[in-house]
Amino acid sequence: ETGVTQSPTHLIKTRGQQVTLRCSSQSGHNTVSWYQQALGQGPQFIFQYYREEENGRGNFPPRFSGLQFPNYSSELNVNALELDDSALYLCASSPADQETQYFGPGTRLLVL
Amino acid sequence: SQQGEEDPQALSIQEGENATMNCSYKTSINNLQWYRQNSGRGLVHLILIRSNEREKHSGRLRVTLDTSKKSSSLLITASRAADTASYFCATDAGDSNYQLIWGAGTKLIIKP
Repeated sequence: ETGVTQSPTHLIKTRGQQVTLRCSSQSGHNTVSWYQQALGQGPQFIFQYYREEENGRGNFPPRFSGLQFPNYSSELNVNALELDDSALYLCASSPADQETQYFGPGTRLLVL
Repeated sequence: SQQGEEDPQALSIQEGENATMNCSYKTSINNLQWYRQNSGRGLVHLILIRSNEREKHSGRLRVTLDTSKKSSSLLITASRAADTASYFCATDAGDSNYQLIWGAGTKLIIKP
């Protein structure tokens, strides 16, 4: 167990809706990254937060947004859901000075 | 876009045999990591090798890195049924924000 939790585990939404996914990092990990993993593919980097500020972003549109809170929790928000947003969403936390990332179990999102 | 490409895409061997997976990447890196993923769940860190290292061991795992060929291999010796999983390599983006760029993974099946 990595000590990183995510909620919910599964979610079904319809196209055009909005969704919020939550992650609780390990205590002391002030960096959190979010990834999207489509079926049969590797994770794709969405963005990273360090000390509550966005620290880097992958090739995802602005309707993907995030927040990081002082209590080591974070959120991924996706607006105007599209069918292609169906995927496993993973968060990963790490201390600021470590390259190794500690992943949560993921949230599986299905958009109908 | 994917940085790394794993080879083979799928590998099926008998329990007790050795399994070798390869990863190629495109840009200069500071380090390369291998992760394991069971049944579409969260990823578990296995080993990290830095760009100035050529080989690293951890238990039954052996990782090599050839920066001139931009490639790495992961060897699992004396495989067990519990090693059945997908294996991914991930590289940093060459800067300091610890974004990980992933390959598409090798699906390893260990037959009892």
